[in-house]
Amino acid sequence: AQTVTQSQPEMSVQEAETVTLSCTYDTSESDYYLFWYKQPPSRQMILVIRQEAYKQQNATENRFSVNFQKAAKSFSLKISDSQLGDAAMYFCAIGPGGTSYGKLTFGQGTILTVHP
Amino acid sequence: EAGVAQSPRYKIIEKRQSVAFWCNPISGHATLYWYQQILGQGPKLLIQFQNNGVVDDSQLPKDRFSAERLKGVDSTLKIQPAKLEDSAVYLCASSSRTSGMETQYFGPGTRLLVL
Repeated sequence: AQTVTQSQPEMSVQEAETVTLSCTYDTSESDYYLFWYKQPPSRQMILVIRQEAYKQQNATENRFSVNFQKAAKSFSLKISDSQLGDAAMYFCAIGPGGTSYGKLTFGQGTILTVHP
Repeated sequence: EAGVAQSPRYKIIEKRQSVAFWCNPISGHATLYWYQQILGQGPKLLIQFQNNGVVDDSQLPKDRFSAERLKGVDSTLKIQPAKLEDSAVYLCASSSRTSGMETQYFGPGTRLLVL
């Protein structure tokens, strides 16, 4: 069984500042993928960034980057130059690797507030 | 490219009534998922389809929930009879493999309130 833990129920950041959201996970699989999804109040879940577990290089997508520590089973999300539109619930998730298709296991989420 | 479509967006019913949700995945996506998201929690898988076959329904409460994807495209999720604890957002997702990695794309969800 896979589990994902997000220990920060809420976080806040000033506009233009940087914020880091924490995520730890547990899995017995050697091959898996990790994701961060954003869910604004409209409820549409949007993919923010993804990471293949076998890649040591941390993924980046514009202002979003991850710090993937495989041995520690940690997958944190860093948002640089925060914008008001970044305010949302953020979910960390783990899914099967390789050529498998399978369910995502989500954390409890972190509510991010961005102050102008 | 059109995203995952879901309807209705909102539904209010009395307990013991039945309700159905519809999902149309992104064109060409063979894999379709239904998740249940209770307020304040992350989504949890109810059922996974590959084309018109069920891959994983281990978490589906089969005494009241059913789902089908008869032609391998759109899907319907039904609850009969509904209970108060079924109040949640029901999310549909479809997936493709990009650069070798499966990525799931979510619809806007159906918010269900059972009174």
